[in-house]
Amino acid sequence: GAGVSQSPRYKVAKRGQDVALRCDPISGHVSLFWYQQALGQGPEFLTYFQNEAQLDKSGLPSDRFFAERPEGSVSTLKIQRTQQEDSAVYLCASSLAQGFYYEQYFGPGTRLTVT
Amino acid sequence: QKEVEQDPGPLSVPEGAIVSLNCTYSNSAFQYFMWYRQYSRKGPELLMYTYSSGNKEDGRFTAQVDKSSKYISLFIRDSQPSDSATYLCAMSPHLSGGYNKLIFGAGTRLAVHP
Repeated sequence: GAGVSQSPRYKVAKRGQDVALRCDPISGHVSLFWYQQALGQGPEFLTYFQNEAQLDKSGLPSDRFFAERPEGSVSTLKIQRTQQEDSAVYLCASSLAQGFYYEQYFGPGTRLTVT
Repeated sequence: QKEVEQDPGPLSVPEGAIVSLNCTYSNSAFQYFMWYRQYSRKGPELLMYTYSSGNKEDGRFTAQVDKSSKYISLFIRDSQPSDSATYLCAMSPHLSGGYNKLIFGAGTRLAVHP
């Protein structure tokens, strides 16, 4: 079956532009996560949704970052007034249900480059 | 200092070698331990999942967790060129919300040459 998909795969933005990154989780998956992966580093947690509820946004680096999942399926990560330090791969992951033993399935990521 | 430390490598081994990868951590609250494999331009995929201390084996892969030393390991037996990838350790505390807030190491790049 289809895995997690993300679009666009690559995005180049000029500093100061707003961007929107989309995540389509596996159908029926309740939990959705966003991570940021800088070059040569491991992913860092940004935020967590259970259905449409954003239960943890402790990893969002600034108030320029905003995520939503209005109908409990597709999610969008929005970055306002992009800065060069925002350049990274943004990964989305989904899991079937809430719980510690459910695998997080990752998408291929969106590579954001801010020039 | 990062919560999870992992040697970035790169690690280069001949085909058939036994590979040892490891991570150390500082947060004693971590309860769930994972190893992910990430190929270039792809998302991470789960290889092994261990709860608390102990060993777990799956085919050519063995994961070990030593909570007393705050040290986890992944062993790959009979390594193959297709194992060439970045290996990420990840761990999570037991959160009251009931989800895994993964904290990753930096990843170790492994190259297995024929």
